[in-house]
Amino acid sequence: NAGVTQTPKFRVLKTGQSMTLLCAQDMNHEYMYWYRQDPGMGLRLIHYSVGEGTTAKGEVPDGYNVSRLKKQNFLLGLESAAPSQTSVYFCASSVAGGFSVTQYFGPGTRLLVL
Amino acid sequence: KQEVTQIPAALSVPEGENLVLNCSFTDSAIYNLQWFRQDPGKGLTSLLLIQSSQREQTSGRLNASLDKSSGRSTLYIAASQPGDSATYLCAVLLPSGSTSYGKLTFGQGTILTVHP
Repeated sequence: NAGVTQTPKFRVLKTGQSMTLLCAQDMNHEYMYWYRQDPGMGLRLIHYSVGEGTTAKGEVPDGYNVSRLKKQNFLLGLESAAPSQTSVYFCASSVAGGFSVTQYFGPGTRLLVL
Repeated sequence: KQEVTQIPAALSVPEGENLVLNCSFTDSAIYNLQWFRQDPGKGLTSLLLIQSSQREQTSGRLNASLDKSSGRSTLYIAASQPGDSATYLCAVLLPSGSTSYGKLTFGQGTILTVHP
């Protein structure tokens, strides 16, 4: 049981390049999330999904797209990377929403946009 | 808009000391409050979850309390150890409109260093 895994662990992009971050979970969780963590800003929600084939915007969705074609995978795409997207990206998953549900986090992807 | 604040931003203590980390939030209409631990370069690990109807939760040397009316939570760590050194984040889960999804809002964290 690997939990939540993220690929890649680290990436350097040039401004304007595109890339996709992959998140996979093997816990059969319905809900999945993408966050970014910046110094002094805490974690902020980018996009989330409440089930296979569904996605929704979070707090800071601009410049990102997501897809959830399979229940176990949640992809985060940057179509045209900007230096402001330099951050650490975390994926998380949970059984569902609800009062007693916690989120399980992956190890993160460090992205540097030059 | 919900805001979550953690005080202090950083804390350094000698091994064996009992310590308290503070978290405050502006909107009391929360589903739950959670405390997470983050080690350098790693993801977040859930430590304790307190539902809105509960007052506290305990796990080993950790005790978290919740006072919804005052918008405050504390994380108490007893007999601190160097292995407790990490960043501690609190987060509140809010209702989110008509969907069943709840929005998790994080504080900025407290960096704890426990020195031998």
